[in-house]
Amino acid sequence: DAGITQSPRYKITETGRQVTLMCHQTWSHSYMFWYRQDLGHGLRLIYYSAAADITDKGEVPDGYVVSRSKTENFPLTLESATRSQTSVYFCASKREDSGNTIYFGEGSWLTVV
Amino acid sequence: GENVEQHPSTLSVQEGDSAVIKCTYSDSASNYFPWYKQELGKRPQLIIDIRSNVGEKKDQRIAVTLNKTAKHFSLHITETQPEDSAVYFCAASRGSSNTGKLIFGQGTTLQVKP
Repeated sequence: DAGITQSPRYKITETGRQVTLMCHQTWSHSYMFWYRQDLGHGLRLIYYSAAADITDKGEVPDGYVVSRSKTENFPLTLESATRSQTSVYFCASKREDSGNTIYFGEGSWLTVV
Repeated sequence: GENVEQHPSTLSVQEGDSAVIKCTYSDSASNYFPWYKQELGKRPQLIIDIRSNVGEKKDQRIAVTLNKTAKHFSLHITETQPEDSAVYFCAASRGSSNTGKLIFGQGTTLQVKP
């Protein structure tokens, strides 16, 4: 379970500030994902990446930026945080050959005030 | 867009009873249906999954059934225990490709009363 880690685990920031959530995995999984979890909405895909330097939008990408210069890291940046981005953010990953089975990190609780 | 509907949103059962959570999906190309359990403050954890070429799968006290024609699938937990109390999420793959992109239901909060 320690194979995918997120930091920071808890963050409070102000509206308009830039925030970066980090995700690191030690499994060498090809695919990585960012989901946000909000009450009543379940988990919604923000961005995903099929490999280093390959990223694509999910269901709710507006206001977020991602990069993947190395296979093991997939940071998520909120360029100008808004209150509506208060949420729990989960990073996830999967192997190239594991079908659609994904594994989640511990989550990052973000509050925008 | 494609979506997954999950019912009920909350479920309370007595210890030892069975619990059933139902999901319907809209993308007819979906071919993978996992169920995740999330305890308070923790990450979602995969508990069981089923692929579209199988109608039922069982793992000890939990089972999942899939009706492709009706586009719905269900989670069945028998002999519930207090430690089964958690939020359960169903999900469906976006299309049939193995990209790992999932559409999640809204979640069901299961409370098992001792």
